[in-house]
Amino acid sequence: AQRVTQPEKLLSVFKGAPVELKCNYSYSGSPELFWYVQYSRQRLQLLLRHISRESIKGFTADLNKGETSFHLKKPFAQEEDSAMYYCALSGYSGGSNYKLTFGKGTLLTVNP
Amino acid sequence: EPEVTQTPSHQVTQMGQEVILRCVPISNHLYFYWYRQILGQKVEFLVSFYNNEISEKSEIFDDQFSVERPDGSNFTLKIRSTKLEDSAMYFCASRDRANSPLHFGNGTRLTVT
Repeated sequence: AQRVTQPEKLLSVFKGAPVELKCNYSYSGSPELFWYVQYSRQRLQLLLRHISRESIKGFTADLNKGETSFHLKKPFAQEEDSAMYYCALSGYSGGSNYKLTFGKGTLLTVNP
Repeated sequence: EPEVTQTPSHQVTQMGQEVILRCVPISNHLYFYWYRQILGQKVEFLVSFYNNEISEKSEIFDDQFSVERPDGSNFTLKIRSTKLEDSAMYFCASRDRANSPLHFGNGTRLTVT
C-alpha cells in the first residue's frame, strides 16, 4: 500500500520568511514523489518532481529515503505562493499502471 | 501548452439522476484518470484507464460509476444514480507514459441536491 502524510493542514508565514511544508510517505518499492500546487479556483499543477532535482518558483524538495520524507522548502516566501500544496506519490500498482496517491494537502498562507 | 479540458465546470443534479462528466485529455496521452475531492477533504483516486479498459479502480468506484472513451478524444465518467455524497469536485487527468507526471483538468463541481 502507498500512503502520503502531510501533517499540517494549515501553515501561515510572513512574506520573506522561510517556509517548509512537510511530507512523509509509506511505500515498499522505489517511489516517485511530486509536489502539486492548486491556486485559488485553478487546476492542480505540477510544481516539481524529485527525479528532476530542479527548483521551481524558488521551491525545492529533497527525497530522504531514510526518513521517508519529501519536504517542500522555500527560503523566502512570497504572497503569490499562497495556495494549497499537495504531496503525491506515484507507485507501481500492477500491469502497466502507476497510481498517484495524494496527501491531504497543506494550505499555505503568506501574509504581507 | 496543451491542457486537459473538462466540461461542464459546474453540474447541479437531483438525487437519483444520471450525470456524465466529460473530459478531453491531452491528445498524445495514453493513460487517463478520474479523481474526486469532496469539499475540505483530500484528492482521492477513482479509476485509471489504459488501452481501452479500466486498469485499476478504487473502492469508491462502485457499480454506479462507469468510464468510457467513446471516440479518440473524449473520456467520460458516468454516475448512474447520483447520491448526495457524490457531491464533490471531479478531476480528470492524463499522462503520456506510465510514470510521467499527471496533467489535470480544471475539474467539474458536481452538486447533488
